[in-house]
Amino acid sequence: AQSVTQLGSHVSVSEGALVLLRCNYSSSVPPYLFWYVQYPNQGLQLLLKYTTGATLVKGINGFEAEFKKSETSFHLTKPSAHMSDAAEYFCAVSDLEQAGTALIFGKGTTLSVSS
Amino acid sequence: DGGITQSPKYLFRKEGQNVTLSCEQNLNHDAMYWYRQDPGQGLRLIYYSQIVNDFQKGDIAEGYSVSREKKESFPLTVTSAQKNPTAFYLCASRPQGARAGELFFGEGSRLTVL
Repeated sequence: AQSVTQLGSHVSVSEGALVLLRCNYSSSVPPYLFWYVQYPNQGLQLLLKYTTGATLVKGINGFEAEFKKSETSFHLTKPSAHMSDAAEYFCAVSDLEQAGTALIFGKGTTLSVSS
Repeated sequence: DGGITQSPKYLFRKEGQNVTLSCEQNLNHDAMYWYRQDPGQGLRLIYYSQIVNDFQKGDIAEGYSVSREKKESFPLTVTSAQKNPTAFYLCASRPQGARAGELFFGEGSRLTVL
């Protein structure tokens, strides 16, 4: 079965600092991978996704992620944090082995940004 | 504007009562999903439906029921059998042919049992 592990339930950075949110997955087949962002009491918004092709994926709001098959990782980065980036972030994998293919989510990482 | 509408946004219920959460989409998507979100636990799949009049249990279906009588609608009923129903509930959808693509989410419904 596929699974997603997000390392660190809370990450704190200063405004202008590098943001790095870690995600590792387990899958027996090449996965499709996603990062979502959630603001308090709202739904999830897609930041970026990896399906096939280029392993460095750029998303909205200046975020990017790199698929590394050898490390089974899909870490999310942003060069310079803004106060508005404070939110909860979820990594997800698409279960390609099962019909229905609901996304499997990690437990989330809360990003705090201080001035 | 196309999207997914969940209602109500906030709901309070007494123990022993069934409640139904509404999920409506005008995206013409075939597949719809219900997730439950608890602090520190991420999102867990309750039920999903790929076509009208068909649905499957997810990982935590006990105490919940759904129906899919129309393509646009996928209501979730939280029954009195659900032992700990207080949570944030998220509905999502995906178009046909995008079997492994991203899900589109509604704004969520927060249920509190008093």
